[in-house]
Amino acid sequence: GAGVSQSPSNKVTEKGKDVELRCDPISGHTALYWYRQSLGQGLEFLIYFQGNSAPDKSGLPSDRFSAERTGGSVSTLTIQRTQQEDSAVYLCASSGHMTGELFFGEGSRLTVL
Amino acid sequence: AQRVTQPEKLLSVFKGAPVELKCNYSYSGSPELFWYVQYSRQRLQLLLRHISRESIKGFTADLNKGETSFHLKKPFAQEEDSAMYYCALKYGSSNTGKLIFGQGTTLQVKP
Repeated sequence: GAGVSQSPSNKVTEKGKDVELRCDPISGHTALYWYRQSLGQGLEFLIYFQGNSAPDKSGLPSDRFSAERTGGSVSTLTIQRTQQEDSAVYLCASSGHMTGELFFGEGSRLTVL
Repeated sequence: AQRVTQPEKLLSVFKGAPVELKCNYSYSGSPELFWYVQYSRQRLQLLLRHISRESIKGFTADLNKGETSFHLKKPFAQEEDSAMYYCALKYGSSNTGKLIFGQGTTLQVKP
């Protein structure tokens, strides 16, 4: 596809369950970001992958959150033992080398009941 | 620590009025600043970047290092400008730098 693709677009889960959110970046983009968008909190940085370097995980809010990027392409954000405060839109973005412009997906809306 | 601050959550103006969305940053190095916009039911997208010194859709933004600001301005707001605007700071290496965002400002342009 031409753009960043995220799935699922909507996810409703029960408190305590694990969820996986997937991101397919634009082909050839070396950088991949995950952000969390929620009312009143703006766009919160979670994690950043750049090429083969170790990811910058400094934004992950707790050890229940983890992310992988396999083969320098697809990324999965995993939230274990979900809590109600995890409810938000999770945005993925990718960036080509040296451009600085981020291309965003449509997001995955997570609702934890 | 690096930080981007947008002090206004909501800015409401009438069509044709001037608009200024405020953005301040905290970074001791040489920053790269951006404005991103999200229109209703659309993806977040780049509006402009300071290094390009460009005007996009009538918007401009000047980096003021003395005041550590990067305010977004437009002389005459249009209804189609209604959207959520995010200021962003890229820091670190120009090739591998990380991008962080402010809290966002909702611009509402009334007819």
